[in-house]
Amino acid sequence: EVQLVQSGAEVKKPGESLRISCKGSGFSFTSYWISWVRQMPGKGLEWMGRIDPSDSYKNYSPSFQGHVSISADKSISTAYLQWSSLKASDSAIYYCARHFKSSAWTPFDSWGQGTLVTVSS
Amino acid sequence: QSALTQPASVSGSPGQSITISCAGTSSDVGYSKYVSWYQHYPGKAPKLIIYDVSNRPSGVSNRFSGSKSGNTASLTISGLQAEDEADYYCSSYTSTNTLAVFGGGTQLTVL
Repeated sequence: EVQLVQSGAEVKKPGESLRISCKGSGFSFTSYWISWVRQMPGKGLEWMGRIDPSDSYKNYSPSFQGHVSISADKSISTAYLQWSSLKASDSAIYYCARHFKSSAWTPFDSWGQGTLVTVSS
Repeated sequence: QSALTQPASVSGSPGQSITISCAGTSSDVGYSKYVSWYQHYPGKAPKLIIYDVSNRPSGVSNRFSGSKSGNTASLTISGLQAEDEADYYCSSYTSTNTLAVFGGGTQLTVL
């Protein structure tokens, strides 16, 4: 069974750092891109960026470039989303999703359950 | 404001059909066939229900169908069932550095 299992909810203070994770199982992790998607309270979904776990090549949405860092460890089939200094506006649910590596764009065919990040003083 | 525009809510009675629109631009929805739709129950993982405008993944009911005209894509759900009550999001590949964009989501209520 294909699964993307994300780390649990986090409560942090502004200025703190954070890394959340997304562990894949049931498929060849290096055959897929892993994207991260944000959902702010009461809002729609926003694509943040993606990583190729086979070589850690990344694309970031310009809206998120420089604000977050995406990484992956293919040896444990896990992707990460990291902040060095959180802001209250980073409070949201973050989803990871896989899409097949291809010369063409492919849909997000499996998603994690989401990680709720709350940033509050 | 989301990149793609969807109605905030739609509703229908069991057995009826509803259509959710997804308006974009020539840089996203109108650019390619790479439009997809996702069903999302709050607190759960979103589920792919339509890809490449009108294709259904294996296991998705044929009550779900997709189409596109110009810069606007549409999702139609026929024979509404109570279990269809969820949020629905459209997504599109884009020709910009933001490779993918989503709509703001549409809450479907089955009356």
